[in-house]
Amino acid sequence: GAGVSQTPSNKVTEKGKYVELRCDPISGHTALYWYRQSLGQGPEFLIYFQGTGAADDSGLPNDRFFAVRPEGSVSTLKIQRTERGDSAVYLCASSPGQGGRETQYFGPGTRLLVL
Amino acid sequence: AQTVTQSQPEMSVQEAETVTLSCTYDTSESNYYLFWYKQPPSRQMILVIRQEAYKQQNATENRFSVNFQKAAKSFSLKISDSQLGDTAMYFCAFSYSGAGSYQLTFGKGTKLSVIP
Repeated sequence: GAGVSQTPSNKVTEKGKYVELRCDPISGHTALYWYRQSLGQGPEFLIYFQGTGAADDSGLPNDRFFAVRPEGSVSTLKIQRTERGDSAVYLCASSPGQGGRETQYFGPGTRLLVL
Repeated sequence: AQTVTQSQPEMSVQEAETVTLSCTYDTSESNYYLFWYKQPPSRQMILVIRQEAYKQQNATENRFSVNFQKAAKSFSLKISDSQLGDTAMYFCAFSYSGAGSYQLTFGKGTKLSVIP
């Protein structure tokens, strides 16, 4: 079956612009995570969805970042008024359900560059 | 707060040899999970191996095994019979139930190069 997919693969934008990053999880996976990976670092948690609701958004750095998952499958991470410090790889992961035993399956990420 | 430390930014190993990657973590939780993920240049994180903290037996997956020392909060990865395809970034990660989301907390990674 298909894995987690993310679009676009790369996104270049200018400071101050708005961007949307899309994640298509594995079919049937109820849990969805967004992480951000800066250069030379490990991924950092941003937000977690269980179904349609954002169950934990404690990792979002500020109110310029927002994510939705309206139908419980595809998710979109939205960044307003982008800043150069937002440049990073944004990773999405999904798992069959909630729980430490559940493997998180990652997508290939979207590399965002803010000029 | 939970932290994960990988003290080896880079390592290299000859093909067919064995290498061990180090990881330590800090937590006050008693029930948690530890993971090693591999990230090749394609960027896609792939689960290598998982350990549940309540299990004393070390996890193994083919050529990959861990040395889990709960009291010392240490979780090292041993790769036996290293292959060229093992060349990648390796990340140690931690999750626990108290956060509600089982979000992963990652270390900074170790870049492993397998030399022919």
